Amino acid sequence: SAVISQKPSRDICQRGTSLTIQCQVDSQVTMMFWYRQQPGQSLTLIATANQGSEATYESGFVIDKFPISRPNLTFSTLTVSNMSPEDSSIYLCSVDDGYTFGSGTRLTVV
Amino acid sequence: KQEVTQIPAALSVPEGENLVLNCSFTDSAIYNLQWFRQDPGKGLTSLLLIQSSQREQTSGRLNASLDKSSGRSTLYIAASQPGDSATYLCAVSSGTYKYIFGTGTRLKVLA
Repeated sequence: SAVISQKPSRDICQRGTSLTIQCQVDSQVTMMFWYRQQPGQSLTLIATANQGSEATYESGFVIDKFPISRPNLTFSTLTVSNMSPEDSSIYLCSVDDGYTFGSGTRLTVV
Repeated sequence: KQEVTQIPAALSVPEGENLVLNCSFTDSAIYNLQWFRQDPGKGLTSLLLIQSSQREQTSGRLNASLDKSSGRSTLYIAASQPGDSATYLCAVSSGTYKYIFGTGTRLKVLA
């Protein structure tokens, strides 16, 4: 199965700033997925990222707030823009084998 | 819209006890169902994946069952150990590798 390296593992950021989260996969994958887990909540899919095309966003998530890049078949980034305390969450990426997830990024916005 | 619910939300048991975690989903048109374990700071670990055509899967002390028609799955943990303490998540997929997750069960096994 694939192995995902996700960075950073945690960060504390000031409101109004942006943070970019990276996921590097050790093999080529067609689709990558980004999830958010708000405190006390379960995981919610943000978007699906395919190489060479715009990411597909789920209802309630927009590109201006969560721009995603997918420059090649092993890498993707998620940016959380203009952050507010409500963005404090764990963000995880996964790939299209259905069961491999990154270790998560714990974001705290102050 | 698919919704996944897990009961109980939290569970505390003494070591050695057998236990059952429950998951229910509203739309039976699923491709597969998966149980994950979530440990703080360690992301998700896949425990068992059940395809829609299967009734159950087993791995060691874990057994997961699926009743698609009734929209239910159970995760059975035999002879629980303190190392089993974690949050257990149930998730369903409609076939595109993206999952809808349940609310989770926080399990604590007391030594």
